[in-house]
Amino acid sequence: QVQLVESGGGEVQPGRSLRLSCVASGFTFSSFAMHWVRQAPGNRPEWVAAIWDDGTNENYADSVKGRFTIYRDNSQNSLYLQMNSLRADDTAVYYCATTFTGFYYFEYWGQGTLVTVSS
Amino acid sequence: EIVMTQSPATLSVSPGERATLSCRASQSLSGNLAWYQQKPGQAPRLLIHAASARATGIPARFSGSGFETEFTLTISSLQSEDFAVYYCLQYNDWPPLTFGGGTKVEIK
Repeated sequence: QVQLVESGGGEVQPGRSLRLSCVASGFTFSSFAMHWVRQAPGNRPEWVAAIWDDGTNENYADSVKGRFTIYRDNSQNSLYLQMNSLRADDTAVYYCATTFTGFYYFEYWGQGTLVTVSS
Repeated sequence: EIVMTQSPATLSVSPGERATLSCRASQSLSGNLAWYQQKPGQAPRLLIHAASARATGIPARFSGSGFETEFTLTISSLQSEDFAVYYCLQYNDWPPLTFGGGTKVEIK
């Protein structure tokens, strides 16, 4: 079955960096676009970034543009989110997510990894 | 950016009753709308895509309708496991993909 497993979260000081990982299984990872979605405590989910199946194109939310980088390693069935210049309002649970239909909603989600930015 | 507005923020319903949740978009979505259910500590779960298509394994008591800018999620007879927060998501025009603020369905 489809599995997405995130890791790499933790507590970090403002201005520092963190890299999140998502390992996929149960489907042909290299055939599908992947997304990062985050959710701050008590808030609605917020789409963060997307990357095309072959890694040739990326899109970002304005709130993270220039600070976060999404990338993937199809040989390792892995998705990454490099987060630099972290701020307190980046505190959230970060999910990787995808769908197989070619439309950009999210059918499959990981369990999430918590990032806390605090001094 | 398309802004998604959900109402009401909280809906108090008795088990077995019908629940009707609304989602409004700031511009036409041409039916490219999804609904999610989220319980505490869990990732959102896809219920509906394309405004009215139930996702795999979703019970028939969940139905979606609407077009253009006005959408509705109906739960025909609430079960105990349906008490949760529900979000809509537009995927018609992006970036960004945008979620509504959510409706919490609570036990009356």
